[in-house]
Amino acid sequence: NAGVTQTPKFQVLKTGQSMTLQCAQDMNHNSMYWYRQDPGMGLRLIYYSASEGTTDKGEVPNGYNVSRLNKREFSLRLESAAPSQTSVYFCASSEQIAGGAYEQYFGPGTRLTVT
Amino acid sequence: AQSVTQPDIHITVSEGASLELRCNYSYGATPYLFWYVQSPGQGLQLLLKYFSGDTLVQGIKGFEAEFKRSQSSFNLRKPSVHWSDAAEYFCAFLRPNFGNEKLTFGTGTRLTIIP
Repeated sequence: NAGVTQTPKFQVLKTGQSMTLQCAQDMNHNSMYWYRQDPGMGLRLIYYSASEGTTDKGEVPNGYNVSRLNKREFSLRLESAAPSQTSVYFCASSEQIAGGAYEQYFGPGTRLTVT
Repeated sequence: AQSVTQPDIHITVSEGASLELRCNYSYGATPYLFWYVQSPGQGLQLLLKYFSGDTLVQGIKGFEAEFKRSQSSFNLRKPSVHWSDAAEYFCAFLRPNFGNEKLTFGTGTRLTIIP
């Protein structure tokens, strides 16, 4: 049981390049999330997917797109990378554990630098 | 607006000393509250959570937290810290039964342990 996995671990892009961050979970969770982490700002939600086939914007969606490929996989795409997107990106998945409560499990992160 | 605040950006304690990390929330009812730990270069790991019931919650790695409704707080404590506790700690908040699975994170407290 690997939990939540992310690829790649590190990436350097030039401004304007595109790339896709991959995320997969093997816990049969319905919900999946993409966050970015910047110094002094905690984690901010980019997009989430409550179930296969649905996606919704979070707090900071501009410049990103997502695809919920199937129940296991949730990818994040940067179409035209900008230096402001330099960050650490975390994928998470969650299960419902009590009425209205969810517990999230996080991947190890992808450190992205845009020059 | 609902939010969670961690007033301390950085705390330094001696190994073996006690620890308390502060977390305050702003919400009109009782939220679901979580503490996560992030070791350098790693993802987030759940330490403990509070949904209802006993206001003193025990977690992993010897941590505990106490929910105080009167103070809108959920402070994390450990009686005696170990060098391996050096990490960043995040408090997170979830509105219960709102159909909203999205966690709101505090900005984090970085813990340094000195020998």
